[in-house]
Amino acid sequence: AQKITQTQPGMFVQEKEAVTLDCTYDTSDQSYGLFWYKQPSSGEMIFLIYQGSYDEQNATEGRYSLNFQKARKSANLVISASQLGDSAMYFCAMRVNTNAGKSTFGDGTTLTVKP
Amino acid sequence: EAGVAQSPRYKIIEKRQSVAFWCNPISGHATLYWYQQILGQGPKLLIQFQNNGVVDDSQLPKDRFSAERLKGVDSTLKIQPAKLEDSAVYLCASSFFGGQGGEQFFGPGTRLTVL
Repeated sequence: AQKITQTQPGMFVQEKEAVTLDCTYDTSDQSYGLFWYKQPSSGEMIFLIYQGSYDEQNATEGRYSLNFQKARKSANLVISASQLGDSAMYFCAMRVNTNAGKSTFGDGTTLTVKP
Repeated sequence: EAGVAQSPRYKIIEKRQSVAFWCNPISGHATLYWYQQILGQGPKLLIQFQNNGVVDDSQLPKDRFSAERLKGVDSTLKIQPAKLEDSAVYLCASSFFGGQGGEQFFGPGTRLTVL
């Protein structure tokens, strides 16, 4: 069975500073993908970044980077230069290569960016 | 490219009534997902289709929930009879293929309130 754990229910960050959102995962599959999604108060789910289990380099997408530590089974999201519009719920998710990509989400972290 | 469409956006019913949700995925996407997101929690996968076949429905309460994906395109999710604890947002998502990679594209969701 797959499991995603996000231990920070809420986080605060000052505008223009960097913030790290934690995610640990558990799976017995060797082949899997890790995703981060943003869910603003409007409710839509927005894809941010992806890391494959065999990718040797950490993924980056603009101000988002994923700190992937395979041995520790962690996939933390780093947001640099926070903006007020980054205030939202952030979900870590995993898909494994078996079961045609069964998808598991964590319970999320609410990020609040302070001006 | 049109996104994932869902209807209705909002639904209020009384317990023991039935309700149905509709989803139209992005054209060409073989994999379709239905999630239940209870307020303050992460999305929980209810059922996953690959074309018109079910690849995972282990978390679908089959005594009251049913889903189908006719012709491998549109999908409907039905609840009959509804319970108070079914109040949630029901998200539909699609991806080009299953497996570990490939982001999921989410629809706007249907907010269900059961009174």
